[in-house]
Amino acid sequence: KQEVTQIPAALSVPEGENLVLNCSFTDSAIYNLQWFRQDPGKGLTSLLLIQSSQREQTSGRLNASLDKSSGRSTLYIAASQPGDSATYLCAVTMDSNYQLIWGAGTKLIIKP
Amino acid sequence: GAVVSQHPSWVICKSGTSVKIECRSLDFQATTMFWYRQFPKQSLMLMATSNEGSKATYEQGVEKDKFLINHASLTLSTLTVTSAHPEDSSFYICSARDRTPIANTGELFFGEGSRLTVL
Repeated sequence: KQEVTQIPAALSVPEGENLVLNCSFTDSAIYNLQWFRQDPGKGLTSLLLIQSSQREQTSGRLNASLDKSSGRSTLYIAASQPGDSATYLCAVTMDSNYQLIWGAGTKLIIKP
Repeated sequence: GAVVSQHPSWVICKSGTSVKIECRSLDFQATTMFWYRQFPKQSLMLMATSNEGSKATYEQGVEKDKFLINHASLTLSTLTVTSAHPEDSSFYICSARDRTPIANTGELFFGEGSRLTVL
């Protein structure tokens, strides 16, 4: 059974710092992995999608990497801003039915 | 990216009444939509998978008679919480994927969520 873990559960850093969020999964046979952002009381915003054949994806100040063999993905946020404060979730899909298996999330606070 | 819209965003109802939540894909067709619920400070929990033109597939522990799902068209799925009770108060979120082969990367697009409060 696939399990997805995110560490740390919470992170607080000063504005301007670069930071890394971690996501690990127990079964490497994933179809793809997605990183999401959720603001309090809001729905989810998809940040980056990495297919199983890819190693990384970039969007603006965000870079997500995928190492299937070790069961890890990282989300790198460069030059953090207070507006980046949110809960970040990673999720994997195992096959074409696209059901997501979720991590518990990392709550990020960027201090001005 | 593709847009998924949920309505209503907020709903407050009395215990025993039924509430319908709509999930629409605005600029793409979705053969499959997913419904999730989220309790405070917890991650999303998949409730059911909704397939256009067929019955929804419910996850273990989710009452199908309690949470009625209808996916009548390629752009609309509805979740009806029947005879709602305070313990049904939660944040409900839907997601959908584009059925177009070229666009079908496996990426799921999410609605804004609907917060249900049952008094």
